[in-house]
Amino acid sequence: AQSVTQLDSQVPVFEEAPVELRCNYSSSVSVYLFWYVQYPNQGLQLLLKYLSGSTLVKGINGFEAEFNKSQTSFHLRKPSVHISDTAEYFCAVIPSGGSYIPTFGRGTSLIVHP
Amino acid sequence: SQTIHQWPATLVQPVGSPLSLECTVEGTSNPNLYWYRQAAGRGLQLLFYSVGIGQISSEVPQNLSASRPQDRQFILSSKKLLLSDSGFYLCAWSLDRGSPLHFGNGTRLTVT
Repeated sequence: AQSVTQLDSQVPVFEEAPVELRCNYSSSVSVYLFWYVQYPNQGLQLLLKYLSGSTLVKGINGFEAEFNKSQTSFHLRKPSVHISDTAEYFCAVIPSGGSYIPTFGRGTSLIVHP
Repeated sequence: SQTIHQWPATLVQPVGSPLSLECTVEGTSNPNLYWYRQAAGRGLQLLFYSVGIGQISSEVPQNLSASRPQDRQFILSSKKLLLSDSGFYLCAWSLDRGSPLHFGNGTRLTVT
């Protein structure tokens, strides 16, 4: 079984500041990793994914994430946030074999202040 | 390209009334289909998933049921709604293990 821990339920930050949203996972098998963003009253939208290869993954809207196998982490970063980045962010893992069911973290609310 | 349609966007229903939420996927075949519920301020709870027509797996015992009458159609139903069924319902699809889930825009259900 897998588990995903998003260490911060809420991250307040000022506009144009850098931000890091943390995600740690636990799994007995290899996993694929994903970050999603959810704006109010909308579905989840894929930001980026890590399947294999380079551990630094770039996604949409200027976000990037780094897979660290030894620390079982997949933290999401952006060097300069905008007001429009205010949203809920979810980290998710899917086992590379077996079940098709993803495991989601509980989400981190990013609040960007002017 | 693939698209997912989920309707209605919002729904207000009295306790004890039936429910039917529909989700369809276009532009792909034999997708994996999922129903999630998101309570206010909480994460995602997987309700049902399906890997093929007529194949439904339930993740939690509850007042809801799901059906997949066609390859790209996934329906969430209830015979009698409870207050606790209120929430934001999300349909999603994926293809294989390495592919991410793609979500619909959700249905906001309020049971009064």
